[in-house]
Amino acid sequence: EVQLVESGGGLVQPGRSLRLSCAASGFTFDDYAMHWVRQAPGKGLEWVSGISWNSGSIGYADSVKGRFTISRDNAKNSLYLQMNSLRAEDTALYYCARSNSGSFLDAFDIWGQGTMVTVSS
Amino acid sequence: DIQMTQSPSSLSASVGDRVTITCRASQGISNYLAWYQQKPGKVPKLLIYAASTLQSGVPSRFSGSGSGTDFTLTISSLQPEDVATYYCQKYNSEWTFGQGTKVEIK
Repeated sequence: EVQLVESGGGLVQPGRSLRLSCAASGFTFDDYAMHWVRQAPGKGLEWVSGISWNSGSIGYADSVKGRFTISRDNAKNSLYLQMNSLRAEDTALYYCARSNSGSFLDAFDIWGQGTMVTVSS
Repeated sequence: DIQMTQSPSSLSASVGDRVTITCRASQGISNYLAWYQQKPGKVPKLLIYAASTLQSGVPSRFSGSGSGTDFTLTISSLQPEDVATYYCQKYNSEWTFGQGTKVEIK
């Protein structure tokens, strides 16, 4: 079964850091680009960051540029999001998502269940 | 940055009705457009990519059309299980979602 499982969320104070992980299974991880998407409570979807299969192409939303870093370890079938200088507006459910094909520029066909990040003092 | 604007923001229709949701890009994006369905409390699901290609397993009552700046998602006969919020997404350079359209049953 194709599956993505996020972990690492929690309650964190403003200005602190958190690292999210996404464990992939059921498919050849290094064939696909991967992404992080977030959804604030009661709000819409916001793309956060994406990384190509070989980490050669990386992108960030303006709202997180300079604070968040995406990475992947193909040997461990894992995707990561290092989040620094967290703000209250980063509070959201963070989803890991797979690109629909090997292309970096594609839609997202598989989504994890998400991990909740709450930034509050 | 290219903005994606959906309309309407919400709609209420009867079972069996034809429902159309529109998505407009502030600049041309060719056919780099996807549609997602998110049911309450659930994970988003890819319905359509490349503006009009139905994702495997998605019912044929869903269809997509458009190119350039104007796109539509059509549900040919609304079913109770279609109650959800629908999002468009562009992916020609970066990835941007529309604000969502909430579909309810009248």
